[in-house]
Amino acid sequence: KAGVTQTPRYLIKTRGQQVTLSCSPISGHRSVSWYQQTPGQGLQFLFEYFSETQRNKGNFPGRFSGRQFSNSRSEMNVSTLELGDSALYLCASRVRGARGETQYFGPGTRLLVL
Amino acid sequence: DQQVKQNSPSLSVQEGRISILNCDYTNSMFDYFLWYKKYPAEGPTFLISISSIKDKNEDGRFTVFLNKSAKHLSLHIVPSQPGDSAVYFCAASRKGDSWGKLQFGAGTQVVVTP
Repeated sequence: KAGVTQTPRYLIKTRGQQVTLSCSPISGHRSVSWYQQTPGQGLQFLFEYFSETQRNKGNFPGRFSGRQFSNSRSEMNVSTLELGDSALYLCASRVRGARGETQYFGPGTRLLVL
Repeated sequence: DQQVKQNSPSLSVQEGRISILNCDYTNSMFDYFLWYKKYPAEGPTFLISISSIKDKNEDGRFTVFLNKSAKHLSLHIVPSQPGDSAVYFCAASRKGDSWGKLQFGAGTQVVVTP
């Protein structure tokens, strides 16, 4: 069974630009969560989607948004990029209702903002 | 506001000895705790978990201890092996929250030396 895939793996953008990251969950997983990992901060929860609806949102500004498609694939978008948005963005998928340990992470997209 | 804290950013341990990783939390609503392991260029992978109704959970070389009164948990790895060199994240789930929304610590880098 294929794991969670994220594209692109690496990205370089400049301040003020916008970026879209993509996540394809494990087949059959309908819940997708996004996390931001920065040095010293660990992983911070961005948002969670299920059945194309945002179910939870973390404490991030409105520049961070996401969506989920009918095939459970998800995208996140960051507009007006700032230097501080440089991070590893991780996507995780799980079967809804399953316990936390069944949340599987993708390898992440490393975003560098110059 | 970091509600899950891993105060040791790094730990060096000799192969064959015990690794002890610590994690503190501030939110008494957390009722489930997980440990993840992360290698470079890969997403975090689940290691072991513990419910707040237990004080110990064991799985092979990994044991997690929970002290609710101190709001403290620890992960013991014994014996430590070279393949255990990775970043370890402590994570917590709050009662009533979706399993897709975890709060993570900043991580502890473990290096196992020969």
